[in-house]
Amino acid sequence: DVQLLESGGGLVQPGGSLRLSCAASGFTFSSYVMTWVRQAPGKGLEWVSSISGSGGATYYRDSVKGRFTISRDNSKNTLYLQMNSLRAEDTAVYYCATYCGADNCYSGFDSWGQGTRVTVSS
Amino acid sequence: DIVMTQSPLSLSVTPGEPASISCRSSQSLPHSSGYNYLDWYLQKPGQSPQLLIYLGSNRASGVPDRFSGSGSGTDFTLKISRVEAEDVGVYYCMQPLQTPFTFGPGTRVDIK
Repeated sequence: DVQLLESGGGLVQPGGSLRLSCAASGFTFSSYVMTWVRQAPGKGLEWVSSISGSGGATYYRDSVKGRFTISRDNSKNTLYLQMNSLRAEDTAVYYCATYCGADNCYSGFDSWGQGTRVTVSS
Repeated sequence: DIVMTQSPLSLSVTPGEPASISCRSSQSLPHSSGYNYLDWYLQKPGQSPQLLIYLGSNRASGVPDRFSGSGSGTDFTLKISRVEAEDVGVYYCMQPLQTPFTFGPGTRVDIK
């Protein structure tokens, strides 16, 4: 079974940093695009960033560009999100999710982790 | 950015009755593959989102056949043929055609 387990969330002051991790198992990690999606308290879902299977292509929403860095270690089956210069509006539950990005392979964000909570507050 | 809208934003349904949610995108969602790049997700209370429908009309593995997706271009619909108590939660449409991937605001479904 596919498992995605996020960790690294917590309380941080504005301007601070956190690194989130997502440990994956049950599938060929390096073959899948990995994604971070967040959900602010009481709000809807918001795509944050994605990274290709090789790690060679990364994508970010404008509001996190230059502050967040997505990366992956395929030898450890782990996805990361380095979050710097955190703002109150980054407060959310962060989910990792996976999808197939190869040609004619897309079948939705078919696996999600349980989420890790990030709170940015003084 | 592609803007996704949904209607209604909330829905109260009697068990056994049908339900329908509409999703509209600000840009047409057909991909060069011929598929419409539109997914539906359900977030049950206290849980992570789960995939229901991908590429407009394909049910994800394990999703009951009472769920169906249809539509093309900019207008899409999720239908539940007979709502069950376990279907409560917030339903989101999402376009994975181009980054930033964008979700609709969500439709909250509860049981009468």
